[in-house]
Amino acid sequence: AQSVAQPEDQVNVAEGNPLTVKCTYSVSGNPYLFWYVQYPNRGLQFLLKYITGDNLVKGSYGFEAEFNKSQTSFHLKKPSALVSDSALYFCAVRDGRTGFQKLVFGTGTRLLVSP
Amino acid sequence: EADIYQTPRYLVIGTGKKITLECSQTMGHDKMYWYQQDPGMELHLIHYSYGVNSTEKGDLSSESTVSRIRTEHFPLTLESARPSHTSQYLCASRTQSQDTEAFFGQGTRLTVV
Repeated sequence: AQSVAQPEDQVNVAEGNPLTVKCTYSVSGNPYLFWYVQYPNRGLQFLLKYITGDNLVKGSYGFEAEFNKSQTSFHLKKPSALVSDSALYFCAVRDGRTGFQKLVFGTGTRLLVSP
Repeated sequence: EADIYQTPRYLVIGTGKKITLECSQTMGHDKMYWYQQDPGMELHLIHYSYGVNSTEKGDLSSESTVSRIRTEHFPLTLESARPSHTSQYLCASRTQSQDTEAFFGQGTRLTVV
């Protein structure tokens, strides 16, 4: 069975500083990895995904994530944080083998960017 | 913005009432999902569907039921609501391709009093 771990409940960063939100995963087949963001009282918005190819993937709002197979990690990064980036971030994984449909989420990390 | 809609956005209802949460998408997606999000933020898959007349239970046991009579519609029903059902419910959909992301609705926040 696949699983995702987000070890930090909350990440605090000052505006303008780089940010990292951590994610590690476990899956039997090839991992399909996703990051989503959730603002208060809203659904989840897709940020970026890794399926195959370049280990560094770029997504919406200046976010990027680095896939590391040996460490089974997919950390979310941004070079310069904005106050408006404050939100809840979810990492998710799906087993890439045909027939595996479930998208499993981590427990979420609250990002707080201070002015 | 994805074309997936949930109604109502907010619902406060008394114990024992029957409720149906609506989810509709206009993207022609075959795969649809219901997640329950508890106050601690964690998302739990409670139901999913591969297509019309196909439904499966998810990882978290739920007293709710779902149906998929039309591709675009995936309603969730609680026959008798209880305070323990108070939560946020999120609906999502995606295409058949294995590598596509899921699109989420805005969610329904249910409170059972």
